Amino acid sequence: KQEVTQIPAALSVPEGENLVLNCSFTDSAIYNLQWFRQDPGKGLTSLLLIQSSQREQTSGRLNASLDKSSGRSTLYIAASQPGDSATYLCAVKGDQTGANNLFFGTGTRLTVIP
Amino acid sequence: KAGVTQTPRYLIKTRGQQVTLSCSPISGHRSVSWYQQTPGQGLQFLFEYFSETQRNKGNFPGRFSGRQFSNSRSEMNVSTLELGDSALYLCASSRAGAAYEQYFGPGTRLTVT
Repeated sequence: KQEVTQIPAALSVPEGENLVLNCSFTDSAIYNLQWFRQDPGKGLTSLLLIQSSQREQTSGRLNASLDKSSGRSTLYIAASQPGDSATYLCAVKGDQTGANNLFFGTGTRLTVIP
Repeated sequence: KAGVTQTPRYLIKTRGQQVTLSCSPISGHRSVSWYQQTPGQGLQFLFEYFSETQRNKGNFPGRFSGRQFSNSRSEMNVSTLELGDSALYLCASSRAGAAYEQYFGPGTRLTVT
């Protein structure tokens, strides 16, 4: 069964700092990997989607990389802002035909201090 | 384009009762998945519906069921509620095909007393 781990569980940084969030998964047979953010008590907002054939994706200050063979992904946030404070979740989709479900990590709770 | 909507947003039920939650996907999306989120277990997959058929199912008891209508709207039902069913229930929609990203709704917060 696919297991997804995120380290660290919590992170506190001063505003303006660059930071990296880590995600690892046990089964490299994935179709894609998606990064989300979740604000307290809210739903998930999709940040980036990386297909298994891709190495990275960028959106604004966010850059996500994928090393499928080693079972790792990182989310890089440049010039962090207080509005980036949220829980960040990574999720992988297996490559079985007809399986559209995501396996989620437990998340990294990020606090950006003004 | 409107996002994924879920109703109701909050529910309080008593043990033993049943509950129905609703999810309307983004227009044009035919796949709807349901997830349960709790502090202890995190986000866990319940089931996925595509073209009115359950395509995939997670490891939850039969008290959890769902369906999808011809307009892709989906409902999930939980019968004989237990205290442990208290959770945030999230639905996600995506276009047909595994390559597409999933978009989540705001969730329904269910509290069982």
